[in-house]
Amino acid sequence: AQKVTQAQTEISVVEKEDVTLDCVYETRDTTYYLFWYKQPPSGELVFLIRRNSFDEQNEISGRYSWNFQKSTSSFNFTITASQVVDSAVYFCALKNSGGYQKVTFGIGTKLQVIP
Amino acid sequence: DAMVIQNPRYQVTQFGKPVTLSCSQTLNHNVMYWYQQKSSQAPKLLFHYYDKDFNNEADTPDNFQSRRPNTSFCFLDIRSPGLGDAAMYLCATSDGRYNEQFFGPGTRLTVL
Repeated sequence: AQKVTQAQTEISVVEKEDVTLDCVYETRDTTYYLFWYKQPPSGELVFLIRRNSFDEQNEISGRYSWNFQKSTSSFNFTITASQVVDSAVYFCALKNSGGYQKVTFGIGTKLQVIP
Repeated sequence: DAMVIQNPRYQVTQFGKPVTLSCSQTLNHNVMYWYQQKSSQAPKLLFHYYDKDFNNEADTPDNFQSRRPNTSFCFLDIRSPGLGDAAMYLCATSDGRYNEQFFGPGTRLTVL
């Protein structure tokens, strides 16, 4: 069985603050994929990043960065200098390799950036 | 731009009146998914197609059915909507090899 835990259900920060969204996962497979999706108030889930289990290199994309640590089964997401447009629900998700097995989503973290 | 399109964006139906939601994609992905998402919850997978191969989740009610007549289109049929079926319905696609899913804007279903 696989499981994704996002312990922070809601976070509020003031604009320009940095914020980290936590994601902890469980899986028995040695090969798997991790994802982050953003769901703004409009409702459409937007794909942000995919990370393979065999690639622990951290990634930075503009103000976004991801820290993948297999030793702690975590895949955390940091937004630097947050902006109001970052306000959304962020989902961490896990999928095992091969074929079309379903994606397991975490419950989501609602981020509110206050101007 | 390649995309996933859902129609309608908002659907209102009456209790027990069948409704069909549609999804189309220009990404030419071989996998299409239907999710149900209720307020403040994670998306819940209802079923998915790998090409024409249909895969139903064990806990998807029989009230929900799906059709995929071709690569581009997929439909969600709710035969007798109940009040508990009011939700956002999300369609997604993926290229099976690369796994990330691309979502449409969703259809918000209201059941009166």
